Amino acid sequence: EVQLVESGGGLVQPGGSLRLSCAASGFTFSSYWMSWVRQAPGKGLEWVANIKQDGSEKYYVDSVKGRFTISRDNAKNSLYLQMNSLRAEDTAVYYCARENYGDYVGSPIDYWGQGTLVTVSS
Amino acid sequence: EIVLTQSPGTLSLSPGERATLSCRASQSVSSSYLAWYQQKPGQAPRLLIYGASSRATGIPDRFSGSGSGTDFTLTISRLEPEDFAVYYCQQYGSSPPTFGPGTKVDIK
Repeated sequence: EVQLVESGGGLVQPGGSLRLSCAASGFTFSSYWMSWVRQAPGKGLEWVANIKQDGSEKYYVDSVKGRFTISRDNAKNSLYLQMNSLRAEDTAVYYCARENYGDYVGSPIDYWGQGTLVTVSS
Repeated sequence: EIVLTQSPGTLSLSPGERATLSCRASQSVSSSYLAWYQQKPGQAPRLLIYGASSRATGIPDRFSGSGSGTDFTLTISRLEPEDFAVYYCQQYGSSPPTFGPGTKVDIK
């Protein structure tokens, strides 16, 4: 059974940092692109970043470029999101997600974690 | 960036009725790289349809997707009680991937 379990969320002050982790199990982690997607309270979904199987390619939404860094450790079956210079508008549930059914252009997300809440507030 | 617009914002229907949800893109979605997701309160989204019309694993055949270019449709042939939820479309053929604002299907 595919499982994605996020951790590391919490309350942080504006300008602060947080590192999210995602533990993957039930599939060959190193074979899949992985993503982070967020959802502000009561709002819709926003793709944040994704990373290629070997970590050699990474992409970000413009609003987090230069502040967030996605990474992975295939030996530990883990995905990470380092978030710096956090802003109030970064407040959201952050989902770890597996991409599948696609090709070199892009893929939809076939598995999602349950999410971890990040709250940026003073 | 491709902007997706979903209509209607809310769809009020009864169990057993047919639901038709629309997703319109600001520019053509290449090769039908369009997906639909279902999200219930307090839960993560679930993939229903990818490639505009292919059902994901385990998705009942009452869910179907169609469309191409800029206009896409998700149809639920007969609503079951568990289908009342929010539905999002997503394009993944152009970077960055983007989601529509969602359509809420609620019980009339």
